[in-house]
Amino acid sequence: EVRLVESGGNLVHPGGSLRLSCETSGYTFTSYSLIWVRQAPGQGLEWVAYMVRSSDTVYYGDSVKGRFTVSRDYAKRSMYLQMNSLRDEDAAVYYCARISPATGYLYMDVWGKGTTVTVSS
Amino acid sequence: EIVMTQSPGTLSVSPGEGATLSCRTSQSVGGKLAWYQHRPGQAPRLLMYDSSTRAAGIPARFSGSGSGTEFTLTISSLQSDDFAVYYCQHYNNWPPITFGQGTRLEIK
Repeated sequence: EVRLVESGGNLVHPGGSLRLSCETSGYTFTSYSLIWVRQAPGQGLEWVAYMVRSSDTVYYGDSVKGRFTVSRDYAKRSMYLQMNSLRDEDAAVYYCARISPATGYLYMDVWGKGTTVTVSS
Repeated sequence: EIVMTQSPGTLSVSPGEGATLSCRTSQSVGGKLAWYQHRPGQAPRLLMYDSSTRAAGIPARFSGSGSGTEFTLTISSLQSDDFAVYYCQHYNNWPPITFGQGTRLEIK
């Protein structure tokens, strides 16, 4: 069974930092790109960052560019989201998801259940 | 950036009836559109990709159609666990990857 499990969500002050993890299992880790998507309270889904499987190139959404960094640990089958300079508007449930393996077809075929980030003073 | 517009915002339907959800894109995305179901507290679930291809394990009462800028998700004979929020997402000409604002399907 393919599984993605997020962790690391917490309460953080504005301007603070947090690192989220996405641990995967049940599939060939190197064969799939991964993505972070978030959902702020009462809002819809917003793309945060997308890491390409073959090159580890990362694309970031405009709202997080320069503040968030994605990395991957192949040995641990995990992806990470380092979030710095957090703002009130970064408060959300953060999901990681697996991207379809078909080149250029960026839809998410498996999602985790999410981890909650709260930003408050 | 391609803007996604879903309608209606909320749809009230009785169990056993059908529902039709719409998604419009601000420019053509060909057939590169996906639909997701999101129940509260759960992981979003891929329903449809390439506009009309059902994802693995999705029952045949879910169907998708459309191309270009107009897309539809149809659910026939609604069951209790179908009441959720539904999102469309394009994957043509990215980044950015964008989602619609969602349609909430609620029990009438």
